[in-house]
Amino acid sequence: DGGITQSPKYLFRKEGQNVTLSCEQNLNHDAMYWYRQDPGQGLRLIYYSQIVNDFQKGDIAEGYSVSREKKESFPLTVTSAQKNPTAFYLCASSSGASLQFFGPGTRLTVL
Amino acid sequence: QKEVEQDPGPLSVPEGAIVSLNCTYSNSAFQYFMWYRQYSRKGPELLMYTYSSGNKEDGRFTAQVDKSSKYISLFIRDSQPSDSATYLCAMGVIKAAGNKLTFGGGTRVLVKP
Repeated sequence: DGGITQSPKYLFRKEGQNVTLSCEQNLNHDAMYWYRQDPGQGLRLIYYSQIVNDFQKGDIAEGYSVSREKKESFPLTVTSAQKNPTAFYLCASSSGASLQFFGPGTRLTVL
Repeated sequence: QKEVEQDPGPLSVPEGAIVSLNCTYSNSAFQYFMWYRQYSRKGPELLMYTYSSGNKEDGRFTAQVDKSSKYISLFIRDSQPSDSATYLCAMGVIKAAGNKLTFGGGTRVLVKP
């Protein structure tokens, strides 16, 4: 089946810890995105990548980092600099300038 | 003021009723418009998309865009309890690879049997 997978589904982080969220797609899409969703709010763009080895900051990049070493993978690291990381994180991909499709999400909770 | 405004709801309707959802936007550069459905604790799934003003139908769903008024709507006919979800509007500008979308905050819909 073609699609986008995210892991883990639930993640718990202690204060001061860095954690990495995984996103993989087998749709052969060029572009990939990371969004953050807080309760009752829309999606806010963290980072996006149009092509391997290139990525751009979105609207709320502070405290996050990404890499794009392979076309199918776009991991997101939530660093200790992110002061309020508890949220639902969504990865998406698109083929060129077309529609975005989303993965199932990772729920991150700070203990 | 947000670029895209969407009433958060909740919108509660009886089964079989028409659900009417809408978003307003301020950026006249937006060229394509989408509606996503999101069940609780799941990723959004694409329901409808359109690149032009007017209506687009797909089964029980109709998407409507009025670019002159900067207003988009989604209508769900013969609503079912399985339609209970949060509906997100999204819109974007056509560029080279890597389109950025702007989302509304979502409207929670509850269809009661």
